[in-house]
Amino acid sequence: AQSVTQLGSHVSVSEGALVLLRCNYSSSVPPYLFWYVQYPNQGLQLLLKYTSAATLVKGINGFEAEFKKSETSFHLTKPSAHMSDAAEYFCAVSVSNDAGGTSYGKLTFGQGTILTVHP
Amino acid sequence: KAGVTQTPRYLIKTRGQQVTLSCSPISGHRSVSWYQQTPGQGLQFLFEYFSETQRNKGNFPGRFSGRQFSNSRSEMNVSTLELGDSALYLCASSSLAGGPYRYFGPGTRLLVL
Repeated sequence: AQSVTQLGSHVSVSEGALVLLRCNYSSSVPPYLFWYVQYPNQGLQLLLKYTSAATLVKGINGFEAEFKKSETSFHLTKPSAHMSDAAEYFCAVSVSNDAGGTSYGKLTFGQGTILTVHP
Repeated sequence: KAGVTQTPRYLIKTRGQQVTLSCSPISGHRSVSWYQQTPGQGLQFLFEYFSETQRNKGNFPGRFSGRQFSNSRSEMNVSTLELGDSALYLCASSSLAGGPYRYFGPGTRLLVL
């Protein structure tokens, strides 16, 4: 079974500062990894995904994440925080459990990290 | 393309009632999955459907059920509602052929009184 741990339920940064949200995963097989963002009263928006191609993944809104197999990590970063980045961020993992191509398996989410950006 | 749509967006029910939530996936997507989001338990997987067949099921009691229609639209039903069923229910769709990417709808917020 797979699992995800997000270190830090709350992260606070100043506008213009580096954003670093930490995610560690556990999986017995090569995983697919994702970061989602959720704004208040909205659904989840896909920020970026790792699917065994390049280990450094670039996403929307200037975010990127690096897959490090040796550390089982998939930390999310953004060089310069903007006020509009304030939201809750979720790291998620799935593994393909269906050779017939009818499922990529369930998404298992971390507990989420609330990002606050101060002016 | 239009995104994932979920109806209704908000719902208030009382204990013991049942509720049906609807999800229309992105056009061309044949996989639909459902998740429950609560402050205490976070995001938890309910079930996944592909071509009208349930492919995966999470650890929820039998009161939670779902189905998918031939046009890929999906419904989930919760019978005999309990206070703890109050949550945001999220639906996600995927084309599978395009990769393991799920696109989420805005959710249905259910309040059980």
